[in-house]
Amino acid sequence: DADVTQTPRNRITKTGKRIMLECSQTKGHDRMYWYRQDPGLGLQLIYYSFDVKDINKGEISDGYSVSRQAQAKFSLSLESAIPNQTALYFCATSDLPRAGGSSNTGELFFGEGSRLTVL
Amino acid sequence: LAKTTQPISMDSYEGQEVNITCSHNNIATNDYITWYQQFPSQGPRFIIQGYKTKVTNEVASLFIPADRKSSTLSLPRVSLSDTAVYYCLVGDKNYGGATNKLIFGTGTLLAVQP
Repeated sequence: DADVTQTPRNRITKTGKRIMLECSQTKGHDRMYWYRQDPGLGLQLIYYSFDVKDINKGEISDGYSVSRQAQAKFSLSLESAIPNQTALYFCATSDLPRAGGSSNTGELFFGEGSRLTVL
Repeated sequence: LAKTTQPISMDSYEGQEVNITCSHNNIATNDYITWYQQFPSQGPRFIIQGYKTKVTNEVASLFIPADRKSSTLSLPRVSLSDTAVYYCLVGDKNYGGATNKLIFGTGTLLAVQP
């Protein structure tokens, strides 16, 4: 089983619908991230969280919200989906502790991605 | 927040050594340089990380000059399976806050031909 699991893997929805993408991890990491990738482009950071009570906006947070229900779970919501939110979404964790100060590399571990299509 | 600049694409042939350079003129004292590899429809995968001089692991080497304003990822003897997008990231891994956003740029698409 994957260490970072995203559900659903594929979703087609209509404009205006609320959609939630879920991410769970078994790595025991404090830090979790949501990225978005459009075809032919790099990854853009939507939100990141260093622990349950620490959630921060990334580059493109407008139109998105997140919830860190537990250390292992980090959900991304689109309150009212629009077509330009059609993209591949990735969840990731990092091996750094919430307060930093570690000798770890901060390597990001990604999920398999959730492909979202908004019609 | 240090911005990175990489070539959009590079071409190579199997068996050649490939060097991909990343510019990060505004790198901060506490920033590390990290490279990731991404195959289509997959999440990026960590390749290597360094702070200064040279770092080598089983898949790549990372060269960082004394001024740290650039870095070069070196892939020895590439194969077709090394065709992927390569991202250079710069950030402070030791503290929270804005410098830990781990921003990806558009990366470099490496195409390896037979």
